[in-house]
Amino acid sequence: GENVEQHPSTLSVQEGDSAVIKCTYSDSASNYFPWYKQELGKGPQLIIDIRSNVGEKKDQRIAVTLNKTAKHFSLHITETQPEDSAVYFCAASRGAAGNKLTFGGGTRVLVKP
Amino acid sequence: EAEVAQSPRYKITEKSQAVAFWCDPISGHATLYWYRQILGQGPELLVQFQDESVVDDSQLPKDRFSAERLKGVDSTLKIQPAELGDSAMYLCASSLAVRSLNYEQYFGPGTRLTVT
Repeated sequence: GENVEQHPSTLSVQEGDSAVIKCTYSDSASNYFPWYKQELGKGPQLIIDIRSNVGEKKDQRIAVTLNKTAKHFSLHITETQPEDSAVYFCAASRGAAGNKLTFGGGTRVLVKP
Repeated sequence: EAEVAQSPRYKITEKSQAVAFWCDPISGHATLYWYRQILGQGPELLVQFQDESVVDDSQLPKDRFSAERLKGVDSTLKIQPAELGDSAMYLCASSLAVRSLNYEQYFGPGTRLTVT
């Protein structure tokens, strides 16, 4: 089955700096890669996603890149703000072939004012 | 904005007791998922429904866990008997039918289960 690894497990950045989280996946049939933000005591919130036919996607201060050949994808947050502090999860699925999400272990991001 | 509803938000139960969780997906979402999230880890799929049918329950401990979605709308996840290792957050998510090619899954707030 799919295996998703995520690094780093914790990330501390100064407000205004950029944050980058990296994930690798093992199943070459995976074609859908969402990112979730989870705040304490809440369910995961979808923040951005990318499909395997796209190399990069951007939404305001967040962007995701995908390298299918290397089987890795990354989340980039620019101009970080204190409200970006949370745990971020990457995930992968086969989309139409079964939309089960396999999650990475999570990255705890702390943005220091 | 439409949301996935779950209840209860918190549940404390003694081991060997039965416990049940309820989920109401976003209206129009044919696919419903139950995930378990152990503290400090990512969620793991327990069971996936397409309408009222189970699509994937390969990771569901069937000796003690059961799930149903009788009318293809809301769903119940049951544990009987509960064990100490079942302490976790139980998350429900929903999405449009997979055949729609829209794969976005939206999560509810979860039920935090503590087994004593």
